[in-house]
Amino acid sequence: EIVMTQSPATLSVSPGEGVTLSCRASQSVSSNLAWYQQKPGQAPRLLIYHASTRATGIPARFSGSGSGTEFTLTISSLQSEDFAVYYCQQYINLPPYTFGQGTKLEI
Amino acid sequence: EVQVVESGGGLVQPGGSLRLSCVVSGFPLRNIWMSWLRQAPGKGPEWVANINEDGSAIYYVDSVKGRFTISKDNAKNSLFLQMNSLRGEDTAVYYCAREPEYCYGTGSCFDYWGQGTLVTVSS
Repeated sequence: EIVMTQSPATLSVSPGEGVTLSCRASQSVSSNLAWYQQKPGQAPRLLIYHASTRATGIPARFSGSGSGTEFTLTISSLQSEDFAVYYCQQYINLPPYTFGQGTKLEI
Repeated sequence: EVQVVESGGGLVQPGGSLRLSCVVSGFPLRNIWMSWLRQAPGKGPEWVANINEDGSAIYYVDSVKGRFTISKDNAKNSLFLQMNSLRGEDTAVYYCAREPEYCYGTGSCFDYWGQGTLVTVSS
């Protein structure tokens, strides 16, 4: 099973700031990586797939990069609605698909 | 408009059974892979099982193999998860989610999720 490790676990930031979240895979997943945003009481929302492609309706301030084992999600200018938990997920090969433990963005 | 709606969760004793249902609208289930995922309190999501377009390919996470069964009724646009021999560690919110074709490659991501249904395993 591929283990996904996210860092940091919690990030304290202010609105308007930029932020970069990290995700590391225990073995190469090529570009088969997605990022999700989750707010309390809601299901995860797909932000990025194929490591760098924004999902439909996702603002341009969200960008993803990386390949192999190292990935980043960058939010260029934090809005109030961006404070949430962010998860990465790998989907190389057949299941099981695995998620990171999450990074919480807080004010 | 795409909608995904789960139901069937509840409180069950260890060793008991539950059957979760997921009804989708806005796209035909017969054309798409679907997954069940779960999320324990305070934890990240965990993929549980998935099923292909016609039900001929099914995969499970090791921890539920032999206890959970995923199935679908394409005519009713419905997905199911039969959960037997439930354990405390199965306590979670269970989500039904679509695996979009644009993510297909060797695996997939998940674009539409339901609101989830809570399963609590406790005596």
